[in-house]
Amino acid sequence: AQSVTQLDSHVSVSEGTPVLLRCNYSSSYSPSLFWYVQHPNKGLQLLLKYTSAATLVKGINGFEAEFKKSETSFHLTKPSAHMSDAAEYFCVVSENAGGTSYGKLTFGQGTILTVHP
Amino acid sequence: GAVVSQHPSRVICKSGTSVKIECRSLDFQATTMFWYRQFPKKSLMLMATSNEGSKATYEQGVEKDKFLINHASLTLSTLTVTSAHPEDSSFYICSVRLVGTYVRNEQFFGPGTRLTVL
Repeated sequence: AQSVTQLDSHVSVSEGTPVLLRCNYSSSYSPSLFWYVQHPNKGLQLLLKYTSAATLVKGINGFEAEFKKSETSFHLTKPSAHMSDAAEYFCVVSENAGGTSYGKLTFGQGTILTVHP
Repeated sequence: GAVVSQHPSRVICKSGTSVKIECRSLDFQATTMFWYRQFPKKSLMLMATSNEGSKATYEQGVEKDKFLINHASLTLSTLTVTSAHPEDSSFYICSVRLVGTYVRNEQFFGPGTRLTVL
């Protein structure tokens, strides 16, 4: 079975300051992990993905995330927030072998990021 | 990545009517598509897995007679909400999956369809 927990439902930062969105996962098998962003009334855009290669993953728009197996975490970071980063962010897990959830995506509850001028 | 379209982007209908939503994979063939539902200010919940040429697989708690899925071709899956009621109002999103060791279960999402049932 797989699950994902986003530890903060809302995060508020000032423009130019660092962003940290926290995510913990649970998976019975080797997981793939993703971060997606959703702007209001829009579809989902992939920010970055971990697929068992390098544990530090760089994505679009300056975002990156580090896969830490010992901590079962996949936190999303950005050194300097921009106003256009304001959106909802979803951490997603998918199992890569066996089980009834193989290949399916399980979404976290989402974190709304607000960026203040 | 894959380009996925949905039609319509927004639909308003009366209670009791049926609504069909189309999901198209524009630049590659997809044997598997997924349908998700997103309630306001909530996360995405997988409704069903749409398999080309066979019956869809529904998640627990999803009424298959209520949400009819047809995946008749490698580029098109449809979701029909039958006898819609106000509680069916939601944002419906489809996705397609690329299979391969590199992309490992990555899915590409359509822009979503906002359904409002009056």
